[in-house]
Amino acid sequence: NAGVMQNPRHLVRRRGQEARLRCSPMKGHSHVYWYRQLPEEGLKFMVYLQKENIIDESGMPKERFSAEFPKEGPSILRIQQVVRGDSAAYFCASSPPGGLNYGYTFGSGTRLTVV
Amino acid sequence: GENVEQHPSTLSVQEGDSAVIKCTYSDSASNYFPWYKQELGKRPQLIIDIRSNVGEKKDQRIAVTLNKTAKHFSLHITETQPEDSAVYFCAAFRNQFYFGTGTSLTVIP
Repeated sequence: NAGVMQNPRHLVRRRGQEARLRCSPMKGHSHVYWYRQLPEEGLKFMVYLQKENIIDESGMPKERFSAEFPKEGPSILRIQQVVRGDSAAYFCASSPPGGLNYGYTFGSGTRLTVV
Repeated sequence: GENVEQHPSTLSVQEGDSAVIKCTYSDSASNYFPWYKQELGKRPQLIIDIRSNVGEKKDQRIAVTLNKTAKHFSLHITETQPEDSAVYFCAAFRNQFYFGTGTSLTVIP
């Protein structure tokens, strides 16, 4: 089992560009969660998705951010028109169906730098 | 929603001493409490967890205690080693995970 795979590991974007972050859950997992970690801060929940459904996006900024988890392929976190304040580490985690109350596994994260 | 507070934010101990990190939560319906260790530039990794029907759990040098009445839980690391130096996060689960703000632990050789 390859675990939760995130790519790219590092992403540099200029202000105003788009950033696309990908997350492939562990095999057999159908739930994906995205978290943002600002430098020297904790993990902030962004969004919880199941295949083709957004379950909870209460932590997502209302503008410029979107997430999807299609029937086939990885989950995508998309940030449009990036600004310097978007620079952070973005982690995703996955869990199996019904396994919401287990300590899920995090991916290695994508470190986004906006220049 | 749930609110998790974590203290202290930084902690320095001498090698061999014990370290204790404390968290409180607000929602009595939270029923699962994991602890994560994050080394610099790496992903958070689960080190120990406890469920609301258990008061204490131990795994070698690491233990976690839970007081449901007071709504707080603590991480105890005994015989600390330099490789224990990292940021530790507590979390409470109530439909989703709510994380504390982290404790940066430094073990001084």
